[in-house]
Amino acid sequence: QVQLVQSGAEVKKPGASVKVSCKASGYTFTSYTITWVRQAPGQGLEWMGWISAYNGNTNYAQKFQGRVTMTTDTSTSTAYMELRSLRSDDTAAYYCARDLGGNYVMGYWGQGTLVTVSS
Amino acid sequence: DIQMTQSPASLSASVGDRVTITCRASQSISSYLNWYQQKPGKAPKFLISAASSLQSGVPSRFTGSGSGTDFTLTISSLQPEDFATYYCQQSYSTPYTFGQGTKLEIK
Repeated sequence: QVQLVQSGAEVKKPGASVKVSCKASGYTFTSYTITWVRQAPGQGLEWMGWISAYNGNTNYAQKFQGRVTMTTDTSTSTAYMELRSLRSDDTAAYYCARDLGGNYVMGYWGQGTLVTVSS
Repeated sequence: DIQMTQSPASLSASVGDRVTITCRASQSISSYLNWYQQKPGKAPKFLISAASSLQSGVPSRFTGSGSGTDFTLTISSLQPEDFATYYCQQSYSTPYTFGQGTKLEIK
């Protein structure tokens, strides 16, 4: 079965960077896209962007351009999301999700990674 | 960016009730509309794609409809496990924005 397992919670200081991992199993990793979504405490869902595990193409939300980098390691079927220059309002749960196949609909989700930014 | 507006923001209902949640896009998105369910402390769960296509395993009491700018999610007979927050999302153009969510609570 499709599984996405994310790395554990992180605590970072303002200005630092965080790199969240998302290890996939149960399907051919390079056949699908991974999307990253975040959710601040008590707030709604925010789309950050996607990466094609096939060719590494990315599409980032303008809001995160210049601060986010999404990558994949096909040898380990793992996707990564790095966010730099962290601020307190980056405190959120970060989710990876796999599409259903060619339509960017997020059919399968990781369990989420809480990133706390605090001095 | 396309703005997605859900109504109501919250809704109280009883088991067995029929409820409808509305989602409106700021411009036409054809049928590129998806619905997700989220329970507290959990990742979202995908329910419906392309406005009305039910994901395998999702109960048939969930129905999606609409096209263009106006969409609805209807739950025909609420079950205890349906009390959650529901989000619509457009996948017409990036950024693939979400609605603000509708919290469905037990009356």
